[in-house]
Amino acid sequence: AQTVTQSQPEMSVQEAETVTLSCTYDTSESDYYLFWYKQPPSRQMILVIRQEAYKQQNATENRFSVNFQKAAKSFSLKISDSQLGDAAMYFCAYRNIMEYGNKLVFGAGTILRVKS
Amino acid sequence: GAVVSQHPSWVICKSGTSVKIECRSLDFQATTMFWYRQFPKQSLMLMATSNEGSKATYEQGVEKDKFLINHASLTLSTLTVTSAHPEDSSFYICSAPRGGRETQYFGPGTRLLVL
Repeated sequence: AQTVTQSQPEMSVQEAETVTLSCTYDTSESDYYLFWYKQPPSRQMILVIRQEAYKQQNATENRFSVNFQKAAKSFSLKISDSQLGDAAMYFCAYRNIMEYGNKLVFGAGTILRVKS
Repeated sequence: GAVVSQHPSWVICKSGTSVKIECRSLDFQATTMFWYRQFPKQSLMLMATSNEGSKATYEQGVEKDKFLINHASLTLSTLTVTSAHPEDSSFYICSAPRGGRETQYFGPGTRLLVL
């Protein structure tokens, strides 16, 4: 079974600084998707960024970018120019394309605090 | 705007009663939807996969007779917590994949408090 590990329960960053959230995963599949979701205090899950495993190029979305290392099974999220609104719980998630139902496997989450 | 809605957003009920939570996909059809449970500051725990036109697939350890799931149409799935007890109090979230391999979108969640 696939697993997703987020080793940082909490992280802090100063406003306008850069922070990197770590995520590693375990799978024997070669084709899959990886995601970062943000859950602010409202608890609405919001998609931050998505990466297809077959793409070597790292995904970017404005201030958010990933460092996808397929061989190392690592998928870190970098947030540049951190803003107060970035404060939230961040979840790394894996999805096996071929598995029935295409369900997501989530990591334990990382709470990100942004200091002003 | 929101692509998945949930209703109600908050519900308080007495122990022993049943509570129904609706999950709707807005402007797209979803043959599959997912139901999660989340405790404070913890990750989402998948409870079951809701399948339109067939039985739901429950994760190991989830009581199917307690958490009844019905995928009534291509845009609606319901989760009924039967004979609710205080330990069922939690945050319940649904999600639906939009398009074949595309991303799952989440509803805003339902807070359930059983007294």
